[in-house]
Formats: sequence, C-alpha cells, structure tokens
Amino acid sequence: AQSVAQPEDQVNVAEGNPLTVKCTYSVSGNPYLFWYVQYPNRGLQFLLKYITGDNLVKGSYGFEAEFNKSQTSFHLKKPSALVSDSALYFCAVRDRNYGGSQGNLIFGKGTKLSVKP
Amino acid sequence: GAVVSQHPSRVICKSGTSVKIECRSLDFQATTMFWYRQFPKKSLMLMATSNEGSKATYEQGVEKDKFLINHASLTLSTLTVTSAHPEDSSFYICSARDLRSGGRDKNIQYFGAGTRLSVL
Repeated sequence: AQSVAQPEDQVNVAEGNPLTVKCTYSVSGNPYLFWYVQYPNRGLQFLLKYITGDNLVKGSYGFEAEFNKSQTSFHLKKPSALVSDSALYFCAVRDRNYGGSQGNLIFGKGTKLSVKP
Repeated sequence: GAVVSQHPSRVICKSGTSVKIECRSLDFQATTMFWYRQFPKKSLMLMATSNEGSKATYEQGVEKDKFLINHASLTLSTLTVTSAHPEDSSFYICSARDLRSGGRDKNIQYFGAGTRLSVL
C-alpha cells in the first residue's frame, strides 16, 4: 500500500536556526515527491518537487529537500528559519506504478512548524 | 505559480439546505480537478477526482448523491453539498492539474484557498 509518514506532529525551531521536517514514504515503484505548505485557513501552496535527476531539489522561500532512495525519505530543510515559515507542511507522493503521472497524490498527515523569535 | 480560485471562502448555512462551492483555474486549463476535505489537525482526504466533461470518480465512502461534482469546462468545477447537515461542516479544498502536453507543469497540483463550511 502507498503511504507517507511524517513522524513529527510539530517541530519547534528558533529563528535563524536550521530546520528539518521529516518525511518517509512507501510506494511500489519510483515516486514523485512533493512538499506543500499550508497557512491557517488557506489552501496548500506548492514548495518543491522531486521527479528525477539530482537528489537535492530547491524550492520556494529558500526550502530544499533531499530524495534518499535507500532510506525512502524526502526531508524538507532550510538553513535559516524565519518566523514567517511557521505553518503546516505536507509531504506528498505519487506512485509512478499507480497511474503514472496521472496518479493521485497521497498526503502525509502534516507537520506543524513553529519558529520562535 | 498557477492560480486556482475557490469561492466562497466561508459559508454558513442551515441544516437541510444545499451549498455550492466553485473552483476556477484562472490562468491555466485544468484537465483534472480534485476535491478534498480537511478535518481539524488532519491531513487532506480526497473526496473525488473529475476530468473535464466526464463524471467524477468518487473515493470509497464518499456519497456521490450527497456531494455533487460538476466539471463542465476546463476552468470550472463545482462541488454541491446537498441537504447539508452539521456533520458536513468542514474545510473543503479544490485542486487542479493540467495534464496536457505543453501546458502547465503536469506534475504539480495547484490548490484553491479552501472553503470553510459551517452547517447550523
């Protein structure tokens, strides 16, 4: 079965410190991987994706994520957190073997990031 | 990024009434649209997927007669919650993709801002 795990319900970081939001996945084939961010009472905004190629992908607002096939992980990172980064972050996967590029996204349960001044 | 407009952002209705939520892709053609429901502090639950001009495909456990989805054009999909009850109160989010070659990045789903439905 396809699944996405975000093991932390909440991550607390001091402003200026690096942040990591963890994501692991389980799919039958090679994955398409995504990170989205959701601000209160808003829809999801696309941050970045891994489709193929370089394992380190860079996205919006200074975020980046590294695809690690052996660990089936796609952790979200940022070198220096901002208070404005505080939001809910969702990892999502699409299985190439299940609908290919047209398959549905499977979302993790989300991780709340709190950045304190 | 691509813009998906969802309206209304918030609606309060009486039990038994029907509510329509609109989802529009403003600067691209959405060959596929998705409707999600999000419970407090929970992830997104996919309700249904619709392709333009076709009937929606509903996820298991989602009542198609309760949640009517129309995707009549490449820029508009609607979700109608019929005979709403308090248990239908939730945050509903639409999403769209352009799966055509040469269109928007077909790997990315773009999301609306969501509709907060409160049924009294």
